Amino acid sequence: DQQVKQNSPSLSVQEGRISILNCDYTNSMFDYFLWYKKYPAEGPTFLISISSIKDKNEDGRFTVFLNKSAKHLSLHIVPSQPGDSAVYFCAASEDNFNKFYFGSGTKLNVKP
Amino acid sequence: DVKVTQSSRYLVKRTGEKVFLECVQDMDHENMFWYRQDPGLGLRLIYFSYDVKMKEKGDIPEGYSVSREKKERFSLILESASTNQTSMYLCASSLPGDRGSRNTEAFFGQGTRLTVV
Repeated sequence: DQQVKQNSPSLSVQEGRISILNCDYTNSMFDYFLWYKKYPAEGPTFLISISSIKDKNEDGRFTVFLNKSAKHLSLHIVPSQPGDSAVYFCAASEDNFNKFYFGSGTKLNVKP
Repeated sequence: DVKVTQSSRYLVKRTGEKVFLECVQDMDHENMFWYRQDPGLGLRLIYFSYDVKMKEKGDIPEGYSVSREKKERFSLILESASTNQTSMYLCASSLPGDRGSRNTEAFFGQGTRLTVV
């Protein structure tokens, strides 16, 4: 059974609006969370991360929120741009950072 | 600039063939990973190596083996390719967690699209 879940396979957003991508996890030992972006025929590229000691991390247009009690994290993209159209993967690791567990991905389409 | 390089972008192999997928990283990372990506399933870990000659099974190791003879190189081997191994294969590397640094994201190669016919 997957320990990291992304329940929305796809999301469509208008350019300039906010995109919110969600992720849930089941393993309470996870303490480091990451978001990756992937274009077709390319490898995933690291976007932003958050440690479990924080509940928010911001980097430009990208903000990740962590709710440990709910075992839920989300990625906010504001404002969304057409170039943000890609598949976004949520990932998590335990305190030894040795393994990364990925969700199934959410395909974001930002319409001009 | 960090780099993880996979030897092939596209491969077509026949059922029953032995297939080698090669991956090289230039970041002196201890950890290396092989994942496969399939629609609706995301990235699933096949094998993981935390040091030269050390390996650990991931979630879906059946039908695969790995080799890590040098720190920079991690090979994935399909002993006898089958059609259900048609997939996108992704290699990644990272620092280990015991460095105390929180900057331990995994860096990925560009992927190998393998088709088994």
